[in-house]
Amino acid sequence: EAEVAQSPRYKITEKSQAVAFWCDPISGHATLYWYRQILGQGPELLVQFQDESVVDDSQLPKDRFSAERLKGVDSTLKIQPAELGDSAMYLCASSWDSYTGELFFGEGSRLTVL
Amino acid sequence: ELKVEQNPLFLSMQEGKNYTIYCNYSTTSDRLYWYRQDPGKSLESLFVLLSNGAVKQEGRLMASLDTKARLSTLHITAAVHDLSATYFCAASIQGAQKLVFGQGTRLTINP
Repeated sequence: EAEVAQSPRYKITEKSQAVAFWCDPISGHATLYWYRQILGQGPELLVQFQDESVVDDSQLPKDRFSAERLKGVDSTLKIQPAELGDSAMYLCASSWDSYTGELFFGEGSRLTVL
Repeated sequence: ELKVEQNPLFLSMQEGKNYTIYCNYSTTSDRLYWYRQDPGKSLESLFVLLSNGAVKQEGRLMASLDTKARLSTLHITAAVHDLSATYFCAASIQGAQKLVFGQGTRLTINP
């Protein structure tokens, strides 16, 4: 069964360092999302791509976060510099069905900032 | 702005009992989703509800949608330990392929 691939699964870094997460969506899925989930809370959307274009990045802290999907397939989310409050699970999801809008999530990348 | 609220946030129940999780959303939405998350794991899609009055069932779980009341319910019948997890509902903003999630309901089922 096709899955959304993410790496790394776990990342520990010190504050002020740079960190990057990678996501490869299910083949053929045009829409890709990055969500952030703080422990004990629901996921919150950071950025949404349609192919290589950003559809919504209104909740992305643009002073330190950046995201790209250059060829409309895989995507990278970067944080520079990382802050203590960035500790969270970063979830990538993809979707192909604009009618149902169902999202398929990857296993996530858990970030701990020390 | 679309907001999604679930209750209860924590639920501890005995095996064999029935219970319902409620999901309210603040503005018009035409789609409602239920996901399950096990500790340290990602989100697994359970149900997609696409219209008013929609009802879907899978095993001991049944989800329904009332768009007029802006309410969805997830009903658990004769709970078993394997259903212990956190359950999230999410609604989509009309015209946008974007999900807004509730806070989650942490369900613990005791033998």
